[in-house]
Amino acid sequence: KAGVTQTPRYLIKTRGQQVTLSCSPISGHRSVSWYQQTPGQGLQFLFEYFSETQRNKGNFPGRFSGRQFSNSRSEMNVSTLELGDSALYLCASSLVGQGAANSPLHFGNGTRLTVT
Amino acid sequence: AQSVTQLGSHVSVSEGALVLLRCNYSSSVPPYLFWYVQYPNQGLQLLLKYTTGATLVKGINGFEAEFKKSETSFHLTKPSAHMSDAAEYFCAGKAAGNKLTFGGGTRVLVKP
Repeated sequence: KAGVTQTPRYLIKTRGQQVTLSCSPISGHRSVSWYQQTPGQGLQFLFEYFSETQRNKGNFPGRFSGRQFSNSRSEMNVSTLELGDSALYLCASSLVGQGAANSPLHFGNGTRLTVT
Repeated sequence: AQSVTQLGSHVSVSEGALVLLRCNYSSSVPPYLFWYVQYPNQGLQLLLKYTTGATLVKGINGFEAEFKKSETSFHLTKPSAHMSDAAEYFCAGKAAGNKLTFGGGTRVLVKP
C-alpha cells in the first residue's frame, strides 16, 4: 500500500506570494491532518479534514487554509507569505480521524517551504 | 486538555548502550499515547502506541515503552543502541475525541 504522498518536496517563495501544498493520503484513509514543524516551535497542528469537512483547527491565522476533495486528497494554502512561514509542512492521514483511539497518524515526508 | 512533555531535547548514547527517552503526560482521562521517530528530511514514523490493555508496549526496531499511570509517564527504551537509531523522537498523546498533541521532541545522538 502506498504511503502518504506530499508534493512538492521543496519550495522557495518570496514574501507576499501564496503557495499551495498537496497531500495524497493512504488509500482508504478519510482523515487528513496538517502540521507545521519548525526548530523553534516544534510540531504545531494546523487543521484536520475528514470527508471534505474541516473537523479541527489549530491556532493559526486565516492566511492558512485547506480543503479536502472527495477522493480524500487534501491541499493546504498559505497566502501573503511571511518569512516566519518557512517550515516543514507535514501531512498525515488516518483511517477515521484523530479522535479515534486506534487510528494513528501516518505521515508523509513533508514539503519544505522556504520564504525569502 | 492533554499535554505531553519530553524531558531532554538532546540525548547522547554510546552504541550498544541503553536508550531511555522520557515522556510525561497530563490528562484527566485515560490517554492514548504514541511514540514517533523522525529521520532527517523525512516525516514521522510510528514506533508504537498505547491505547488500552498491556502497559508494556513493544514497537518496531527493538523499542518498547511502559505506560505508568501512577507516574503519568510513557518512557521509551531500547536495550542496545544502534547507529541507525540516531534520529528525533516524539511522544504524542490524546484524550478520547481530541486531537493529537506532540511533545517537543528528543534528538538522539549515537556515538560509536
